[in-house]
Amino acid sequence: RKEVEQDPGPFNVPEGATVAFNCTYSNSASQSFFWYRQDCRKEPKLLMSVYSSGNEDGRFTAQLNRASQYISLLIRDSKLSDSATYLCVVNNMDSNYQLIWGAGTKLIIKP
Amino acid sequence: EAEVAQSPRYKITEKSQAVAFWCDPISGHATLYWYRQILGQGPELLVQFQDESVVDDSQLPKDRFSAERLKGVDSTLKIQPAELGDSAMYLCASNAWGTGAYEQYFGPGTRLTVT
Repeated sequence: RKEVEQDPGPFNVPEGATVAFNCTYSNSASQSFFWYRQDCRKEPKLLMSVYSSGNEDGRFTAQLNRASQYISLLIRDSKLSDSATYLCVVNNMDSNYQLIWGAGTKLIIKP
Repeated sequence: EAEVAQSPRYKITEKSQAVAFWCDPISGHATLYWYRQILGQGPELLVQFQDESVVDDSQLPKDRFSAERLKGVDSTLKIQPAELGDSAMYLCASNAWGTGAYEQYFGPGTRLTVT
């Protein structure tokens, strides 16, 4: 089993719709969680850090469910520019400030 | 906004040749990472530096790959000789060690094509 698992998609979503995807992680001791966004042939960029209470940044909401070991990302009122791959990331509890990366979920927003 | 710099952005080389990539992290970031990313996969850590010291190079193919960060600032990743399977995006990231923050910030990457 992979340490961080994501549905690879693609999720094809009409513009203006709400879309959500989950990511599961295997190490119950993980404490830091992130969503990164990666455009085609570009570098990953930090989208959101995920806090235990959940957090919201404009149209984006991230939530953490420690009991079930998953984090979610919700995008409301999706825009064409939201088309990208969304990478789920958790910290490596062996420390050394390493991160464990999911393979990403591809999102395509259609006009 | 501070950025991680990488060069070159693109590199095409023939197999068995040597290639080198350069990275300059965000100023003040003590931790530097080199990743390799194959299309459709997440980044794979190759080597991690804390200042000038290697923290983890367990996934670095040491028969052909080498990395250094001599003065604890910028870093170079080298492949010699390059193989067809090395074609990938090579990403450099940095992090502010000791702050308790795990976020990593990436440079634009070097896309390597080995022919």
